[in-house]
Amino acid sequence: SSELTQDPAVSVALGQTVRITCQGDSLRSYYASWYQQKPGQAPVLVIYGKNNRPSGIPDRFSGSSSGNTASLTITGAQAEDEADYYCNSRDSSGNFWVFGGGTKLTVL
Amino acid sequence: QVQLQESGPGLVKPSQTLSLTCTVSGGSISSGGYYWSWIRQHPGKGLEWIGYIYYSGSTYYNPSLKSRVTISVDTSKNQFSLKLSSVTAADTAVYYCARAPTVTNNWFDPWGQGTLVTVSS
Repeated sequence: SSELTQDPAVSVALGQTVRITCQGDSLRSYYASWYQQKPGQAPVLVIYGKNNRPSGIPDRFSGSSSGNTASLTITGAQAEDEADYYCNSRDSSGNFWVFGGGTKLTVL
Repeated sequence: QVQLQESGPGLVKPSQTLSLTCTVSGGSISSGGYYWSWIRQHPGKGLEWIGYIYYSGSTYYNPSLKSRVTISVDTSKNQFSLKLSSVTAADTAVYYCARAPTVTNNWFDPWGQGTLVTVSS
């Protein structure tokens, strides 16, 4: 079982804002990173650290953290944002890494 | 721009050893500063971190797989490899290699394209 918990599915209307959350005790000590995965493709990093976007990731993606919860927010969701999203961080011991179970985002 | 590419057999028989190699281009493993990792994804499921190696050869493995996993590095070829022993159908998955910086709050970037390994007789 994963030490990071995500909602299995979330939906958002085109152009609206959606928040995808990730819960886990380790998030009180470590930031989460977030990955977007489209069918048949490798995951792509979209957010890392406190709230950093790799080059090429649109600024509608942002990250935040509070207590044991990390969040990925997409402000003005686009059709191309429909994908699976995974959070990742260290485990509670800090010795290895874990992923959340993933959230399937549907853009309506 | 660093790129990673997995290679290896797509079919492995039960009880045998799965062997994959990740070739790194656009950057040198021996430069340090990064953990070189293996991650897998069972069909239709989420991601599972397998382990990492540093250029010096130090490794860390997921405790759930530790008894069967060996990750090694060949800096002369700019490659690192995964061996998973005594495989079963439960090891059928897409295997990815990825790079993570050696900082407290790590992230994986870039990733290889992934390679599907099927365990079947």
